[in-house]
Amino acid sequence: GDKVKQSPSALSLQEGTNSALRCNFSIAATTVQWFLQNPRGSLMNLFYLVPGTKENGRLKSAFDSKESYSTLHIRDAQLEDSGTYFCAADNMGYKLTFGTGTSLLVDP
Amino acid sequence: AQTIHQWPVAEIKAVGSPLSLGCTIKGKSSPNLYWYWQATGGTLQQLFYSITVGQVESVVQLNLSASRPKDDQFILSTEKLLLSHSGFYLCAWGIQENTLYFGEGSRLIVV
Repeated sequence: GDKVKQSPSALSLQEGTNSALRCNFSIAATTVQWFLQNPRGSLMNLFYLVPGTKENGRLKSAFDSKESYSTLHIRDAQLEDSGTYFCAADNMGYKLTFGTGTSLLVDP
Repeated sequence: AQTIHQWPVAEIKAVGSPLSLGCTIKGKSSPNLYWYWQATGGTLQQLFYSITVGQVESVVQLNLSASRPKDDQFILSTEKLLLSHSGFYLCAWGIQENTLYFGEGSRLIVV
């Protein structure tokens, strides 16, 4: 099965609303990264996390290594937040396991 | 500032033909380099990584090979393409085990 499972798989939001994405690990992750893939395919790194939380503007992410999950909160969603969000877990040094992805569409 | 460039942007190739995809990183010495593959609508699968020139580690076997002929260059290749090689190939760099930075990707269609 999927070692890094993301939920929901797809999400539609109204502009200005809030949402939370989740990533569950069946592997012992030591660090987590969150990425946003735009429609052209390029990935932008949003967060690099050791256990704990980080905040950047309208985005906030948390990583709980003991409970094996990570979350990404989006506040006041904007049209440019649309895309596919991936979390990725690192548990073997140079090998990063990507999650199944969450496709987000923000509507005006 | 660091830049990462992938080439070609897109290719349509015949089954059984050879393939070479390239990736160049500028502005960072001795980066760790990575190749990922993504099927349409799917997740990213790590293929290879390299910590230093001349050394490449395989993560998953997909009848592909990779080489690092220079500190700033990472090449993905095969002598005979399969239909299953179609997809999106992404190169990334990082320092030690920190944040990964991705290139714009190369889209491959095998017919």
